[in-house]
Amino acid sequence: GENVEQHPSTLSVQEGDSAVIKCTYSDSASNYFPWYKQELGKRPQLIIDIRSNVGEKKDQRIAVTLNKTAKHFSLHITETQPEDSAVYFCAAKITKFYFGSGTKLNVKP
Amino acid sequence: DGGITQSPKYLFRKEGQNVTLSCEQNLNHDAMYWYRQDPGQGLRLIYYSQIVNDFQKGDIAEGYSVSREKKESFPLTVTSAQKNPTAFYLCASSLGTETEKLFFGSGTQLSVL
Repeated sequence: GENVEQHPSTLSVQEGDSAVIKCTYSDSASNYFPWYKQELGKRPQLIIDIRSNVGEKKDQRIAVTLNKTAKHFSLHITETQPEDSAVYFCAAKITKFYFGSGTKLNVKP
Repeated sequence: DGGITQSPKYLFRKEGQNVTLSCEQNLNHDAMYWYRQDPGQGLRLIYYSQIVNDFQKGDIAEGYSVSREKKESFPLTVTSAQKNPTAFYLCASSLGTETEKLFFGSGTQLSVL
């Protein structure tokens, strides 16, 4: 089955800096790659997603890039704010979703 | 925040006891899922259902059971056979397994007394 690896497990940045989280996947049949943000004790919320026929997608301060050849995709957050602090999960989907282990992002004011 | 509701928010299980977690959705979604989340780990699939009266095992189904008698409801029972049940349980739904967006409930924290 699919295997999704996510790095780093924790990331600490200064407010205003950029943050990058990377995921790799193993199955080239994966065709959909969402990113979820989860605040402590809350439900995961979809923040951005990308399909396998697209290389990059941007939504305000958040962007996702996909490299199908290398089988990796990344989340980029620019101009980070304290409210960006949360755990971020990547996922890859074939018929089911396979999740990465999460990155705890801490934005220091 | 509405659409998919989990209850209770916190649940305690005694040794040898079965407990049932509730998941209800009013999104008219066909597919429903149960995930387990342990600290520092990603979401692992327990069971999923693509349609009423049908469900399939996920990656960690042992010690769990489900039913799908109604489209809007997908309860999860944590049986006494699950020896390490303490975790955060998330229910999710989507229009179908071929559609992409997952909508999550707010979760149930299960602990062992």
